[in-house]
Amino acid sequence: AQSVTQLGSHVSVSEGALVLLRCNYSSSVPPYLFWYVQYPNQGLQLLLKYTSAATLVKGINGFEAEFKKSETSFHLTKPSAHMSDAAEYFCAVSPGFQKLVFGTGTRLLVSP
Amino acid sequence: EPEVTQTPSHQVTQMGQEVILRCVPISNHLYFYWYRQILGQKVEFLVSFYNNEISEKSEIFDDQFSVERPDGSNFTLKIRSTKLEDSAMYFCASSPRGGEAEAFFGQGTRLTVV
Repeated sequence: AQSVTQLGSHVSVSEGALVLLRCNYSSSVPPYLFWYVQYPNQGLQLLLKYTSAATLVKGINGFEAEFKKSETSFHLTKPSAHMSDAAEYFCAVSPGFQKLVFGTGTRLLVSP
Repeated sequence: EPEVTQTPSHQVTQMGQEVILRCVPISNHLYFYWYRQILGQKVEFLVSFYNNEISEKSEIFDDQFSVERPDGSNFTLKIRSTKLEDSAMYFCASSPRGGEAEAFFGQGTRLTVV
C-alpha cells in the first residue's frame, strides 16, 4: 500500500529563515505526490503537486518541492519564512486511483 | 473562483442520532470524496464516489455510513447512529478527474457527538 511519512510533528523557524518540511513516500509505482496546507479552522489548500513531469515543482506562496526517486523523498521548502506561513502542512500520495493518503502532518511555527 | 461548500460548519448531536452532512462540489467535477480528521490526528479517507456510485471506501466507512448525490448538485454523508468516536472534522472534496488531478476541499463540518 502506498503511504507517506512526515518527519517532525512540529518545526519551528524564525521569520526569514529557510523552511524545510520532510516527506518520504512508499510506493511500488510512480506516485502522484501533493502538499496541502491547513490554516487554523480552515480546509485543506493545495500548495503543489508532482505528477512525473518536472522533478522540481513550484507551488503557491513561494513554496517548492523536489521529487527524488533515489531517496523516495518529496521535501517541501521555502527560502524565507513569513509569519503567515504558520500552519499545518500535509504531504499526501495518490495511488493512481482516486483517494489521497495523507501523512500525519507537520505544524510549522514561525517566530518573529 | 469555484469552491466546495459544506453545511453546516458545526453540528452537535446526541449519541445514537442520525446526522446528514451536506456538500456542494464544484459544478463540473466528476469525483467526490469524504475525509475526516479526528482532532489532532491526520486526515483519513472515508469514501470516493463517481458516476453515481461508491468507487472506493475505507475500513472506517462501515454500515453506519452512507453517501448520496440526490439531485446532481449536492453530495451528502449520512451517519445513521452516531457514536462518540464519530466526533471529528469532516471534509468534502471534489476533483475533475481521479489520479493526478487536484482535489479541492471544502472548509469542513465539525461534528461533535455528545
